[in-house]
Amino acid sequence: ETGVTQSPTHLIKTRGQQVTLRCSSQSGHNTVSWYQQALGQGPQFIFQYYREEENGRGNFPPRFSGLQFPNYSSELNVNALELDDSALYLCASSFGTASSGANVLTFGAGSRLTVL
Amino acid sequence: AQSVTQLDSQVPVFEEAPVELRCNYSSSVSVYLFWYVQYPNQGLQLLLKYLSGSTLVKGINGFEAEFNKSQTSFHLRKPSVHISDTAEYFCAVSRYGGSQGNLIFGKGTKLSVKP
Repeated sequence: ETGVTQSPTHLIKTRGQQVTLRCSSQSGHNTVSWYQQALGQGPQFIFQYYREEENGRGNFPPRFSGLQFPNYSSELNVNALELDDSALYLCASSFGTASSGANVLTFGAGSRLTVL
Repeated sequence: AQSVTQLDSQVPVFEEAPVELRCNYSSSVSVYLFWYVQYPNQGLQLLLKYLSGSTLVKGINGFEAEFNKSQTSFHLRKPSVHISDTAEYFCAVSRYGGSQGNLIFGKGTKLSVKP
């Protein structure tokens, strides 16, 4: 079975620009979550998508948005980039209902975003 | 709200020595507990999880952890480490009935195994 793949692996943007990060879920998984991992910090939950709808969100502003497609792949969009958005963005997939806190997440290797 | 505190940011240890990585959590509701490992330039990989039942949980690569409800701790242990265990380790919690993707992570502990 394939794991979680993310693209691009690295990218550099300037302040004020917009970015789209992509994620392909592990085969058989129906839920996608996105995390932001700043340097020296643990991952922070951005949001989760289940059945193509956002069904959980962390403490991130609306300029962070996402999509989940019928094949369960996902995009993370960030508008009006700020310097503090520089981080590793991790995508994770899992299988289950929307509220299954016991389910194990499978993480991708991440997309490292640098904002100048 | 839940929070996770990993008490040591870095732990240096010699090969074949035992190691304990400490994790404490805070929550007003019941939680599930996890340990993930992150090798350089890779995503996070699950080491072990505590959902219910026996408080001693065994995971991959010889790691184990013990859930202590009274002390709200979930410390990770390995009796004899290898060079290949050098990585960053994250403790995480999720809330019963919460979004399955919503893990609260600690800041991580960098384990450095020296020959």
